[in-house]
Amino acid sequence: DAKTTQPPSMDCAEGRAANLPCNHSTISGNEYVYWYRQIHSQGPQYIIHGLKNNETNEMASLIITEDRKSSTLILPHATLRDTAVYYCIVLFSANDYKLSFGAGTTVTVRA
Amino acid sequence: GAGVSQSPRYKVAKRGQDVALRCDPISGHVSLFWYQQALGQGPEFLTYFQNEAQLDKSGLPSDRFFAERPEGSVSTLKIQRTQQEDSAVYLCASSDLGTGDPYEQYFGPGTRLTVT
Repeated sequence: DAKTTQPPSMDCAEGRAANLPCNHSTISGNEYVYWYRQIHSQGPQYIIHGLKNNETNEMASLIITEDRKSSTLILPHATLRDTAVYYCIVLFSANDYKLSFGAGTTVTVRA
Repeated sequence: GAGVSQSPRYKVAKRGQDVALRCDPISGHVSLFWYQQALGQGPEFLTYFQNEAQLDKSGLPSDRFFAERPEGSVSTLKIQRTQQEDSAVYLCASSDLGTGDPYEQYFGPGTRLTVT
């Protein structure tokens, strides 16, 4: 599985967009980029995933570079409830069920 | 609908005791996973079931750890002769698709095990 690199922490102002980077330079053509987050004392929560194209859902947007070696998760209007650890995970679709969370990025949204 | 539930939420065990942790997945979900999360770290994979079949137990740290899902729904993770290094949050997740396509896993709140 491709490894990912994320900054250990970042702060964000409430109401502003939060842009979370992830490097996955060894990603292969069939590997997807997944994002999960874990709010304190809760289990991880799926946010979004993508292969090549940018994706958007009600929670966030995922921007994947053309060479697919990096991606950015965008929380468009961060709220205090978005304070969590965010994990970028690369998965090959077939038979790849083991989520390798790594250390993630601790995002603190400040009022 | 109801999400993944786990019980107990908190468990304190004395070293050497056996513990059993329960997971109720989302109804109808075929796949079930157990993860272990040590303090300050990301979750780590323990084992995977598809229906009642345990297809992967490569992440179980020792033969003191045993998981079962006899009827393809509820699962139990059992730890025998607990040690202090077993202290962690044990997370259960379920998914409604098998292998072959990307899918999301739905996690329960976890059971925090403290071994004293």
